Amino acid sequence: TQLLEQSPQFLSIQEGENLTVYCNSSSVFSSLQWYRQEPGEGPVLLVTVVTGGEVKKLKRLTFQFGDARKDSSLHITAAQPGDTGLYLCAGGDGGYQKVTFGIGTKLQVIP
Amino acid sequence: EAGVTQFPSHSVIEKGQTVTLRCDPISGHDNLYWYRRVMGKEIKFLLHFVKESKQDESGMPNNRFLAERTGGTYSTLKVQPAELEDSGVYFCASSQETYEQYFGPGTRLTVT
Repeated sequence: TQLLEQSPQFLSIQEGENLTVYCNSSSVFSSLQWYRQEPGEGPVLLVTVVTGGEVKKLKRLTFQFGDARKDSSLHITAAQPGDTGLYLCAGGDGGYQKVTFGIGTKLQVIP
Repeated sequence: EAGVTQFPSHSVIEKGQTVTLRCDPISGHDNLYWYRRVMGKEIKFLLHFVKESKQDESGMPNNRFLAERTGGTYSTLKVQPAELEDSGVYFCASSQETYEQYFGPGTRLTVT
C-alpha cells in the first residue's frame, strides 16, 4: 500500500511570511500532484510534476519533485490571506493514475 | 464548460437504509473516479471507470457498495445497506488526460 505523509498538518502564519509543506513516501510515484481545497468544494489541481528533480512555479508557489520521485515540497513566498486553505499532495501510480492522497495541510494566513 | 457535478450535496440517512449518489463528469471525459474522505483521514480511492467499464475497483470497501456508469456518461454509487462507518464525503472526479483529474464538490453522507 502506497502512503503519502504530509507535514505539517496545520500551519498558521502571518501575512508576508514564507512557508514550506512537505510530502514524503517510501514509494516511487510516476507523478505528484498538488491540490488546494476550499470548504464545501472539491480539490482543485494546482500543478502536476512528473520528472525527478522537476521544479514548477505558479506565481508565489514553487513545487518540487524529489530526484527519486518519492517526495515533494510546496513553498509559498510572502503568503497572502487568499492562500488560506487545505493543500493536498497526491501521488499517481502510472497507467490510469489511481491517486493516493496525503492527509493535507490546513494553512491559515493571518492578515 | 460545466465542471463535475454531484448530487445530492448532503444526505442524512439511518443505518440500514439505502442511498444513491450521482456524479455527472465533464462532458467528453472518459475517465471517472470515485473517492471518499472519512473524517480525520485521507481522501481514498474507491474505483475508476473508463467509459462504462470498471477499470479498477480495488478501493471499494465491501459489497454493500455498487457503482455503475450507464452508457459511459453519469455514474451512480449506491450504498445498501448503509452502516455508520460509511459516513464521509464522497468525491467524484473525471479526466481526459491521465494526470489531470477534475473534482466535483462532493456529497457529504451522514449515517445515523
